[in-house]
Amino acid sequence: RKEVEQDPGPFNVPEGATVAFNCTYSNSASQSFFWYRQDCRKEPKLLMSVYSSGNEDGRFTAQLNRASQYISLLIRDSKLSDSATYLCVVNMADQGGTSYGKLTFGQGTILTVHP
Amino acid sequence: DVKVTQSSRYLVKRTGEKVFLECVQDMDHENMFWYRQDPGLGLRLIYFSYDVKMKEKGDIPEGYSVSREKKERFSLILESASTNQTSMYLCASSEPGRLPPYEQYFGPGTRLTVT
Repeated sequence: RKEVEQDPGPFNVPEGATVAFNCTYSNSASQSFFWYRQDCRKEPKLLMSVYSSGNEDGRFTAQLNRASQYISLLIRDSKLSDSATYLCVVNMADQGGTSYGKLTFGQGTILTVHP
Repeated sequence: DVKVTQSSRYLVKRTGEKVFLECVQDMDHENMFWYRQDPGLGLRLIYFSYDVKMKEKGDIPEGYSVSREKKERFSLILESASTNQTSMYLCASSEPGRLPPYEQYFGPGTRLTVT
């Protein structure tokens, strides 16, 4: 089983649509959770962190369910510029309880927003 | 402004050659990482370093080595390049310490083709 699994996608949605991405992680000791965005032929960049209480940044809402080991990202009112690959990312502690900032990435979900 | 640079955007090497990929960051980050990214597999950690001259194996270290002689520079070495090492290689760095948010800043990537 992969440590971080995402919806395979791709997602093709019209402008203005609401789209949701899901992600599950296998290590219950995981500490921190993120969504990164990667544009075509570009490097990944942090989109937002994910907190247990849920957090919102404009049209983007991230949720974390530790009991189910599940992370989600909701994008409302999709824009053409939202077209990208969205990466679910987890920080997992090693056996000693430290992680040195190591991140484990899901394989990504491709989103295409069309006019 | 945060900056991570990589020595080449595109590289073509022959099987058996020794290959050096260089990464430099100007943010005084202690942590540096090397990933490879392949379609359907996402980003996979090859090696990381949390201090000068320190290195730790990631998930797929076989066939690779690294060098960190200076804080700002982290080199990935393919001792004897093989065709299955054809991939996109991404370098990243992050702030020191063991607390979130662990944001990693990525370089633009090196597309390596081994023929």
